[in-house]
Amino acid sequence: KAGVTQTPRYLIKTRGQQVTLSCSPISGHRSVSWYQQTPGQGLQFLFEYFSETQRNKGNFPGRFSGRQFSNSRSEMNVSTLELGDSALYLCASSLGETTGKGEQFFGPGTRLTVL
Amino acid sequence: SQKIEQNSEALNIQEGKTATLTCNYTNYSPAYLQWYRQDPGRGPVFLLLIRENEKEKRKERLKVTFDTTLKQSLFHITASQPADSATYLCARPYSSASKIIFGSGTRLSIRP
Repeated sequence: KAGVTQTPRYLIKTRGQQVTLSCSPISGHRSVSWYQQTPGQGLQFLFEYFSETQRNKGNFPGRFSGRQFSNSRSEMNVSTLELGDSALYLCASSLGETTGKGEQFFGPGTRLTVL
Repeated sequence: SQKIEQNSEALNIQEGKTATLTCNYTNYSPAYLQWYRQDPGRGPVFLLLIRENEKEKRKERLKVTFDTTLKQSLFHITASQPADSATYLCARPYSSASKIIFGSGTRLSIRP
């Protein structure tokens, strides 16, 4: 069974631009969560989707948004990029309705650099 | 607000010894705690989940404990090997049926 895939793996953008990151969960998994990881703040929860509905949201500004498609694939978008958005963005999928009631499977992440 | 803390930023031990990592949480006891391993440049990999009513859980050389009185979980790696060197993260649900929050991680180095 293929693992969680994320595209692209690396991305360089400039301030003010917007970016879209993609995540394909493990086949059969319907819950997808997004995390931002930085050296200073660690792993921080962005949002969780289940069956195309956002179930939970972290404490991030409205510039960060996401969606989930009927095939469970998910995208997150960051608009008006700031230098501080440079981070590793991780996607995780799980089988159950609510993330964390069981194991989460993480993708390799997208390394975003904002110049 | 709920918090989860891993007090040791780094831990260096000799190969063959037991590594013990600590995770402390605040406020109410979560229904479960999770432990993950993360290697540089990669996403975390799930290792173990321990529920509130379980005192201890084992998987091969790994052992996790959950002490609701101390509000603490301990993660042990016995007979440690250099390949065990990685960052280990603990995680808990923020509230019931809610997002997962992670500790800052402990970077474990096993020297030969």
